[in-house]
Amino acid sequence: ELKVEQNPLFLSMQEGKNYTIYCNYSTTSDRLYWYRQDPGKSLESLFVLLSNGAVKQEGRLMASLDTKARLSTLHITAAVHDLSATYFCAVDLNTGGFKTIFGAGTRLFVKA
Amino acid sequence: DTGVSQNPRHKITKRGQNVTFRCDPISEHNRLYWYRQTLGQGPEFLTYFQNEAQLEKSRLLSDRFSAERPKGSFSTLEIQRTEQGDSAMYLCASSPGQRGYTFGSGTRLTVV
Repeated sequence: ELKVEQNPLFLSMQEGKNYTIYCNYSTTSDRLYWYRQDPGKSLESLFVLLSNGAVKQEGRLMASLDTKARLSTLHITAAVHDLSATYFCAVDLNTGGFKTIFGAGTRLFVKA
Repeated sequence: DTGVSQNPRHKITKRGQNVTFRCDPISEHNRLYWYRQTLGQGPEFLTYFQNEAQLEKSRLLSDRFSAERPKGSFSTLEIQRTEQGDSAMYLCASSPGQRGYTFGSGTRLTVV
């Protein structure tokens, strides 16, 4: 069964610093997602990564995918307080129905 | 179109009662998903519809849970004889097929 592991699960960082969140998954997949969730809110789609070597950037966030290593990273550049949220990676299980398995999430807190 | 709509936003029920949630997806999206999220965890897949057909169900979905999507439009998720362990956020998401999901705001269920 597909497992998705994120680390760290909790991250406290200073504004202006850089950091990377890692997402490992256990079986082959051709689609990986990153979502953001604010407390008490629903999930907001950040990135969809479809192929090996894919890199996408939006503002201070950059996501990459290495399908051979079954690894995705979410890099945060010069963090600001507004980035404080929980970040989930999720991977499609190719059953034909595209069931998606989520990681446990990384709770990011950026201190001003 | 205002996105995926879920009702009610909050539901408090006594143990043993039945509850029903509704999801209205984005109108042109043929795929609809239900997920459950407990505090501090990532969303867990419950079930998936393509148009009106329920194509996949999780083992998490016991016989107390039933979902429908008549006419391939809105969907309902019913929980019979609720238990305290059913307390969670129930998220609905829709997709046009090959892309990431758009999530609704969720229905938070509290079983007392």
